Amino acid sequence: EDQVTQSPEALRLQEGESSSLNCSYTVSGLRGLFWYRQDPGKGPEFLFTLYSAGEEKEKERLKATLTKKESFLHITAPKPEDSATYLCAVQGGGSNYKLTFGKGTLLTVNP
Amino acid sequence: KAGVTQTPRYLIKTRGQQVTLSCSPISGHRSVSWYQQTPGQGLQFLFEYFSETQRNKGNFPGRFSGRQFSNSRSEMNVSTLELGDSALYLCASSPTGGAGETQYFGPGTRLLVL
Repeated sequence: EDQVTQSPEALRLQEGESSSLNCSYTVSGLRGLFWYRQDPGKGPEFLFTLYSAGEEKEKERLKATLTKKESFLHITAPKPEDSATYLCAVQGGGSNYKLTFGKGTLLTVNP
Repeated sequence: KAGVTQTPRYLIKTRGQQVTLSCSPISGHRSVSWYQQTPGQGLQFLFEYFSETQRNKGNFPGRFSGRQFSNSRSEMNVSTLELGDSALYLCASSPTGGAGETQYFGPGTRLLVL
């Protein structure tokens, strides 16, 4: 069974203080690793899809990287508007293309 | 392009009642998946529909069911509601639901069971 563990559960940063969020996974035949951002009371908003180890993607202050066992979401010089819950999900092998999610990291960026 | 839409946004029901939630996918997307989100369990997969057929199902009791129409719109139904069914119900769409495809989520329906 696919498993995803995210750490830390919560992270508080000062504006401009860079950091990384971790997503560890076990999956049989990774088809894709997905990062989403979720604001309170809203649905997850898609950020990145990574497919193979060594792949990196960037968007504004965010950069996602992937190894064979984990993914990192690096946040450079965060702003208060980056405050949200960041969710990691994997799509494994087999005939079911469902997403298996981690519990998320609640990021708070103070001005 | 319009995103995934879900109706209603909020619902309050009592135990034993049933409820139907609706999801309209992004135009051109034919795969619709449903997820339940609770503080304790996070997001959990309910089921996925493609071309009006349920292709995959998660580990939820038979009280949870769904269907998909020819225009790809989907509904999910929960019968005999229990207190533990209180959650945010999310639907997500993708072009075909295939390997590696990104799923795009709607805003969710917040269900409260009293």
